[in-house]
Amino acid sequence: RKEVEQDPGPFNVPEGATVAFNCTYSNSASQSFFWYRQDCRKEPKLLMSVYSSGNEDGRFTAQLNRASQYISLLIRDSKLSDSATYLCVVNIAGGSYIPTFGRGTSLIVHP
Amino acid sequence: DVKVTQSSRYLVKRTGEKVFLECVQDMDHENMFWYRQDPGLGLRLIYFSYDVKMKEKGDIPEGYSVSREKKERFSLILESASTNQTSMYLCASRAGDSSTDTQYFGPGTRLTVL
Repeated sequence: RKEVEQDPGPFNVPEGATVAFNCTYSNSASQSFFWYRQDCRKEPKLLMSVYSSGNEDGRFTAQLNRASQYISLLIRDSKLSDSATYLCVVNIAGGSYIPTFGRGTSLIVHP
Repeated sequence: DVKVTQSSRYLVKRTGEKVFLECVQDMDHENMFWYRQDPGLGLRLIYFSYDVKMKEKGDIPEGYSVSREKKERFSLILESASTNQTSMYLCASRAGDSSTDTQYFGPGTRLTVL
């Protein structure tokens, strides 16, 4: 079983919709969590870190549920420019913090 | 802004050739990583380095080696390229080993092995 799992999608939503993705992780030693965004044929870029208390950045809200071992990303008022693949990243404690990536969730926002 | 650069955006090599992929970061980051990304498989860690001359194997090190002689530069070497090494290769750097440190990626090298 992969350590970090995401629904690959695609999630196909109209502009203005609210959409949410979940990401589950299996290693309870996971320490820190991030969402990255990757546009087609480009490199991943940090979207936001995920804190235990939850955090919001404009239209984006990230939540962490340690008891159930998942993180979520909520996008409100979707824009065409939100179309991308969203990667969940979990840092697992070890000698060094090794980032483990989910395979990504594809979002397509249409007019 | 952190800048991570990779030596080539596109590369075409023949089976059996030795291939060097170079990555340079300009922010004095301690940690550097090499990944490959394939459709349906996501990013898979090949090697990472937490300091100069230090390296650790990732999930798929077979067929690859790395070199980190200077802090800013991390090289990935394919000793004898094979067709199954055709992929997108992404380099990343990270300031240090704090759990909250985030990675910054280079633009990627799309390698085709014929």
